Amino acid sequence: RKEVEQDPGPFNVPEGATVAFNCTYSNSASQSFFWYRQDCRKEPKLLMSVYSSGNEDGRFTAQLNRASQYISLLIRDSKLSDSATYLCVVNEDNFNKFYFGSGTKLNVKP
Amino acid sequence: SAVISQKPSRDICQRGTSLTIQCQVDSQVTMMFWYRQQPGQSLTLIATANQGSEATYESGFVIDKFPISRPNLTFSTLTVSNMSPEDSSIYLCSVGRNGEKLFFGSGTQLSVL
Repeated sequence: RKEVEQDPGPFNVPEGATVAFNCTYSNSASQSFFWYRQDCRKEPKLLMSVYSSGNEDGRFTAQLNRASQYISLLIRDSKLSDSATYLCVVNEDNFNKFYFGSGTKLNVKP
Repeated sequence: SAVISQKPSRDICQRGTSLTIQCQVDSQVTMMFWYRQQPGQSLTLIATANQGSEATYESGFVIDKFPISRPNLTFSTLTVSNMSPEDSSIYLCSVGRNGEKLFFGSGTQLSVL
């Protein structure tokens, strides 16, 4: 069983749509949670951390459900520039172990 | 965020040769990691580069194949030894800042013929 699982997609959505990704993790003792964005042939870049209380950054909202062991990312009013692969990342072991999901590919179309 | 310089950005190598990838950070960091990302897949941790001691390798990765150096808190190298086409991948240097977030170098795209 993988530590972190994501739906690989692709999610094909029109501009302006709202799209949500989920990610499940297997270790209930996981400490920290993140969403990263990776463009084709580029390095992953931190999009946002995910806190127990949930957090929002502009059009992006991330939530954590510890009881069900999943995190989510909601993107509102999708832009063409949102097209990328979104990686779910879970941290264990006091920041020494980061586990990456396989990524969810998003295509936003005109 | 940390500024991470990784080089080379890409290389094409012959099988049986070795390539050393360098990672330079603009400030001292506690944690430095080396990841591999094969085409269409997510990141796999190769090893944690420890300053002043041997790197800690993940299952499936060994020092003879991927020797790592970390002479100080701002620099590390990863060598891919005796390369084969199966080593074709993107190799990423990563640093941990404030014990929390990970930041990545721009990656080295390696093709082995």
